[in-house]
Amino acid sequence: QKEVEQNSGPLSVPEGAIASLNCTYSDRGSQSFFWYRQYSGKSPELIMSIYSNGDKEDGRFTAQLNKASQYVSLLIRDSQPSDSATYLCAVNTGSGAGSYQLTFGKGTKLSVIP
Amino acid sequence: SAVISQKPSRDICQRGTSLTIQCQVDSQVTMMFWYRQQPGQSLTLIATANQGSEATYESGFVIDKFPISRPNLTFSTLTVSNMSPEDSSIYLCSVRTDFGYNYGYTFGSGTRLTVV
Repeated sequence: QKEVEQNSGPLSVPEGAIASLNCTYSDRGSQSFFWYRQYSGKSPELIMSIYSNGDKEDGRFTAQLNKASQYVSLLIRDSQPSDSATYLCAVNTGSGAGSYQLTFGKGTKLSVIP
Repeated sequence: SAVISQKPSRDICQRGTSLTIQCQVDSQVTMMFWYRQQPGQSLTLIATANQGSEATYESGFVIDKFPISRPNLTFSTLTVSNMSPEDSSIYLCSVRTDFGYNYGYTFGSGTRLTVV
């Protein structure tokens, strides 16, 4: 069974600090990786997508991918109280060309303390 | 990115009844995806809806329980049939959205279903 694992948290960081969120996945053939933010009672919102090894930066967010270790992470710099949410890691685990199946981790709850 | 309108936003239903959830997208999309998020849990894919063909259901989900319609490239419905309290969840539709060389999946606002 294809799995995506995340620490459930809660992860508490002080305002202005770097929050580091981690995710591991079991399907070595996975090609696409996504980070979503979900506020309580709201639907998931896409923050980052990453497809190749290395870092990808977008504003205060940096996604890191290491396919050899089957590991993807999200760094949030200068964390703000508004970043407090559950962060979901999602992996395209479908087989074959053009597959779109996403498998989600259970999410890490982040609390940024003012 | 695509904008998805989903309704109803919430409903409280009696066990044994059915509820149909609608998703309208502001652009044509080939595939629409239906997810379930049970309380305190992550998202689980129910089925993939293609226009002009039968939906593809994931393991543990069957057409009799979750019939799906996809009459055109901008609209889909998911029906939760013969509901029981175990069906109380948030149901979300999703479509792939392309951002230049990148892509992601956009979600509707969700339907919070409570079965009593």
